Amino acid sequence: GQQVMQIPQYQHVQEGEDFTTYCNSSTTLSNIQWYKQRPGGHPVFLIQLVKSGEVKKQKRLTFQFGEAKKNSSLHITATQTTDVGTYFCAGRSWAGNMLTFGGGTRLMVKP
Amino acid sequence: DTEVTQTPKHLVMGMTNKKSLKCEQHMGHRAMYWYKQKAKKPPELMFVYSYEKLSINESVPSRFSPECPNSSLLNLHLHALQPEDSALYLCASSQRDSLRPQHFGDGTRLSIL
Repeated sequence: GQQVMQIPQYQHVQEGEDFTTYCNSSTTLSNIQWYKQRPGGHPVFLIQLVKSGEVKKQKRLTFQFGEAKKNSSLHITATQTTDVGTYFCAGRSWAGNMLTFGGGTRLMVKP
Repeated sequence: DTEVTQTPKHLVMGMTNKKSLKCEQHMGHRAMYWYKQKAKKPPELMFVYSYEKLSINESVPSRFSPECPNSSLLNLHLHALQPEDSALYLCASSQRDSLRPQHFGDGTRLSIL
């Protein structure tokens, strides 16, 4: 079945440093979504990417979808303590009607 | 504040009990989902309802029984659960299918004694 892998599992950064998480799928995706889950909270939708090579920005967050639509990345510039949480990518294959979540990257920011 | 409401927020039950988790949304979404999430793990899909019909059952044991009484409500009936079923149970909804963003509820934290 479809597998979605995310690296790294954990990342500690000093406030102000940049952060990137990478997502790789075993199959070509029709779309990829990114979610953020704060400690003790629920996943909150951040963005969806659909087109090959697509790049979208939300303030300090930059999301990319690979040309082959099998990988994606989330980059945060100048992290803040409010960025703390686990970032999940979730991909949908062309064949299925379900999202498969990556393992998540837990971001910790030291003030 | 979340637009998907789940009750109860916490539930402790014995292995012989029968209980139900409830989920409600009033966004007009036609797809609703149940996920199970263990600590430090991603959400794991259990069931998908599309237009009030069960469309996906991810090989979930029969001790979990979903029900979708109408387009706004989703229930998860629990019976004879095992300690390993202790987890956060998340409900989500989306406009139509997984092409659309999913809106999650706060979840029910379930503990099986």
